[in-house]
This record gives sequence, structure tokens and C-alpha cells, in this order.
Amino acid sequence: DTAVSQTPKYLVTQMGNDKSIKCEQNLGHDTMYWYKQDSKKFLKIMFSYNNKELIINETVPNRFSPKSPDKAHLNLHINSLELGDSAVYFCASSLAGLDTDTQYFGPGTRLTVL
Amino acid sequence: QKEVEQDPGPLSVPEGAIVSLNCTYSNSAFQYFMWYRQYSRKGPELLMYTYSSGNKEDGRFTAQVDKSSKYISLFIRDSQPSDSATYLCAMSPPRGWGKLQFGAGTQVVVTP
Repeated sequence: DTAVSQTPKYLVTQMGNDKSIKCEQNLGHDTMYWYKQDSKKFLKIMFSYNNKELIINETVPNRFSPKSPDKAHLNLHINSLELGDSAVYFCASSLAGLDTDTQYFGPGTRLTVL
Repeated sequence: QKEVEQDPGPLSVPEGAIVSLNCTYSNSAFQYFMWYRQYSRKGPELLMYTYSSGNKEDGRFTAQVDKSSKYISLFIRDSQPSDSATYLCAMSPPRGWGKLQFGAGTQVVVTP
């Protein structure tokens, strides 16, 4: 009965590789988000999708590409991984993306780039 | 300078004490203010939500917003060891589509 799930939970890879992180929510929400949390615990929004449409697209290297095949899924693909990409990536979802909607976070994917 | 400033701590208190957390911000457009709790190796979960200025109480938790000073607070009464976590403030302007600006988080340790 997990609300927001992410796979994988841990990802260790070499510089220059391409990797994907998957996110799924079973809450029936319309809006999904990707956040990056760095080593100092600072949580920063990267992207959001509402009903498969890109809504928020922060200043993020274009090596990061989100993809929403349907409103229950939001994946994050990262090309040519760099050391600075090491972080915990959180997926979240909310009912409609309104300011008053609660965002529900997944458990995170801990990415380590060697 | 970050839009939202929060002391990272750690803040260590004995069980039963009042925990006082706060954030300052620079963007006067922020209208929605939240506190999230994050346990180690878990995702953040919403604790309190306040719109504009004022106080809100929920059990042992009280959130305060002072927009004139651009300052928000969270108080935890009768703290328990299970309250040990990182507390993140977050805020957003109107029509932000959920674009939250987070503080860096304050680590709280409640010792038995």
C-alpha cells in the first residue's frame, strides 16, 4: 500500500554512465515532482509534471531529462553522470499541484557517482 | 544568500523540553508556509501547514508565521525521543504550482 515508491533505492555508478530512476504513485494524484537533496540536506525542486505536462523546469543541466508516461509515473533519466550528481533524489506527488496541496514524498534514491 | 535560511543545528534537548525551530526568508511573496519532518534515510513528511500570518496548533506542535518580520517558527512541546529528526521549513508564493523553497533543515536530537 506504498503511496509513492521509487526504484532503485540505491544506485552506485561510474562517471560518464547513463542511469534512470523510476517513480510511481498510487494516490490518484495529478502532479508529480523531482527533488534533489544534497549532502547538506538542502532539498531543491528540479521538475514537476501535471497530467503528463511539464509545469516546473528549474535550472538543471540538460543531462537530466524527466519523462511522464502517464500521470502515475514520473521517471528521471540522467546522461553522462558527474561526481556532483551524487545526492538523494526524491519523487513527490500532490493532488493537483495547488499551493494548498500536501506533497507526499517517496523514500528517495541515493545516487553515488564514483 | 538563499531565499530561506534555517540553522542546520544539531539542536540537542532533553526529553520533555520545548523544541524551538525557526526560519527566515527574503521573498515577501511567500504566502504558504510548511514544516516537514524527515527521519534519517526517509522522505520528508508534512507536519504543519499555515497560510499567511498567524498561529496554528496541532497536538504538541505549534506553528507561527510573522510575515512582517519574514520569520516562521515551529514549537514542539513535551518533546519525545521519537521527535529526533530533521525539520525542514518550506514556503511558496501564490500560484506557484507547488514550487516549494526549502530551508536547509535543522537536526533535532531529543535525549532520554
